[in-house]
Amino acid sequence: DAGVTQSPTHLIKTRGQQVTLRCSPKSGHDTVSWYQQALGQGPQFIFQYYEEEERQRGNFPDRFSGHQFPNYSSELNVNALLLGDSALYLCASSPYLAGGRNNEQFFGPGTRLTVL
Amino acid sequence: GENVEQHPSTLSVQEGDSAVIKCTYSDSASNYFPWYKQELGKRPQLIIDIRSNVGEKKDQRIAVTLNKTAKHFSLHITETQPEDSAVYFCAARADTGTASKLTFGTGTRLQVTL
Repeated sequence: DAGVTQSPTHLIKTRGQQVTLRCSPKSGHDTVSWYQQALGQGPQFIFQYYEEEERQRGNFPDRFSGHQFPNYSSELNVNALLLGDSALYLCASSPYLAGGRNNEQFFGPGTRLTVL
Repeated sequence: GENVEQHPSTLSVQEGDSAVIKCTYSDSASNYFPWYKQELGKRPQLIIDIRSNVGEKKDQRIAVTLNKTAKHFSLHITETQPEDSAVYFCAARADTGTASKLTFGTGTRLQVTL
């Protein structure tokens, strides 16, 4: 079991560009959450996907969008990149259980995005 | 929405001493409180968690306590070792429906010195 995997590991973009980050959840997990972790800060929730739909969203602008595929993998897209989007982007997967109970989130290694 | 505050931001202890990190939360609906350890350049890893129907939970040298009335929870590490040095994050979540959003604290950098 490879656990949660993310690609790419590192990415450098310039302002105004668009980026796509990818996540494969842990085997048996069907829910994927994305977090942004700025340097020296705790992870901030971006959104969560389950059954290919966005189920919950944090305080992030529409420039941040996502997608979940039938195999439960997910993408995070960020348009019109700003310098402030530079951060570690973490994907976390969990199994969905009724009422959201006992669904520990396992984090991937993250993608380090640098916007110049 | 939920707000989680964490203190202290940095903590330095000598090997063998105990370390305590404290968090407070604002949303009374929160009922799940995990603690994550993040080493430099690595992913956050769950080290212990507690649910609101429990007041204390222990796992070897690590324990977590929860005071629902005061809305605060704490991480206790005893007999600290150099490998405990890392950034620790507390988090809170309200398990309702399909929602499983974690709200994190700002982190505590723990340094265990020899």
